[in-house]
Amino acid sequence: ETGVTQSPTHLIKTRGQQVTLRCSSQSGHNTVSWYQQALGQGPQFIFQYYREEENGRGNFPPRFSGLQFPNYSSELNVNALELDDSALYLCASSQGPLSYNSPLHFGNGTRLTVT
Amino acid sequence: KQEVTQIPAALSVPEGENLVLNCSFTDSAIYNLQWFRQDPGKGLTSLLLIQSSQREQTSGRLNASLDKSSGRSTLYIAASQPGDSATYLCAVILTGGGNKLTFGTGTQLKVEL
Repeated sequence: ETGVTQSPTHLIKTRGQQVTLRCSSQSGHNTVSWYQQALGQGPQFIFQYYREEENGRGNFPPRFSGLQFPNYSSELNVNALELDDSALYLCASSQGPLSYNSPLHFGNGTRLTVT
Repeated sequence: KQEVTQIPAALSVPEGENLVLNCSFTDSAIYNLQWFRQDPGKGLTSLLLIQSSQREQTSGRLNASLDKSSGRSTLYIAASQPGDSATYLCAVILTGGGNKLTFGTGTQLKVEL
């Protein structure tokens, strides 16, 4: 069984640039959620993708967008980067958007630094 | 809006001690509560998941309890070891909220030799 993998592991970008982060879901999982974790904070829900469509969104501006592909992998895109976007971005997969009683499986995250 | 609080923010204990981490949440309409472990710079590892109809779950030296009516959960770690040093996060899934997790800010645990 392949776990959740994220790439790249680290990334440094300049304010105003755009970034794409990638996530491969665990085998058999069709739902991907993205979280942002600022230093010293708990993760904050960004959005979730199911059947290649956004299926719920947290309190993040439209410059945060995503995609899900037919193989259930996903991308997180952030445009017009701001210093406050510096964080650990975590991807989690599950067997469906309503799999309440199965734990989400998280990747090791992408550390984004915006200078 | 659901708010999840964890106390204490940091904890340092000598090896072998039993310890309790606390988590409280403001909205009792939850499907479940989960406890995660996070090592520095890493992702989250699920430790225990308690369904809303359950009172506790156990895994090895870990025991988590849930009191939905009072909005509280505790994670009990028995006979702590240096390898338990990590940040522990609790998170809830709200009724009707899909499987979106609302996290607390975590308790940073250090177990010293």
